[in-house]
Amino acid sequence: AQSVAQPEDQVNVAEGNPLTVKCTYSVSGNPYLFWYVQYPNRGLQFLLKYITGDNLVKGSYGFEAEFNKSQTSFHLKKPSALVSDSALYFCAVKDRDDKIIFGKGTRLHILP
Amino acid sequence: DTEVTQTPKHLVMGMTNKKSLKCEQHMGHRAMYWYKQKAKKPPELMFVYSYEKLSINESVPSRFSPECPNSSLLNLHLHALQPEDSALYLCASSQDRSRDRANQPQHFGDGTRLSIL
Repeated sequence: AQSVAQPEDQVNVAEGNPLTVKCTYSVSGNPYLFWYVQYPNRGLQFLLKYITGDNLVKGSYGFEAEFNKSQTSFHLKKPSALVSDSALYFCAVKDRDDKIIFGKGTRLHILP
Repeated sequence: DTEVTQTPKHLVMGMTNKKSLKCEQHMGHRAMYWYKQKAKKPPELMFVYSYEKLSINESVPSRFSPECPNSSLLNLHLHALQPEDSALYLCASSQDRSRDRANQPQHFGDGTRLSIL
């Protein structure tokens, strides 16, 4: 069965520093991987996806993610964090039935 | 602004009430979804509609009844809910082109926050 794991419940980063939110995956076949962000009292917003091709995927709001097949990871990154990036981040994988399997979520706090 | 619109934003109802949640999208998407999300948890899939037909029901209790009147609308009818059904209910949509459906992201509404008294 497809699954993703987000090992950190919370990540704290100072404003202006680079940030990384970790995700590892377990899939059979080709992975279809996604990152979503959820701000308070809002729905989920799509940030980026990996299907095939370049291992570095660029997405919305200056975020990018690096696909690493050998480490089965898909970590979310941003070179310089903003206070407005504080939110709940979900890594996700699509399974064969087109369902999205979400990780448990990582709460990102950017400290001014 | 989200491209998937959900109404109402908040709903408080008693356990004997009947109410409906509504979802609308005009992106031409042919797959629509209902999710339930508890605080600080990931969304849990409830139902999937593909081309206005129910394709997935994740063993949801019958007190939740989905309906897809047309390709733009999705309803969730509620009846005799329990306090543990209090949650954020999210609607989502995505392209459903069979050739590349697996790589299509889902677009979410902002949800209806439901409280059962």
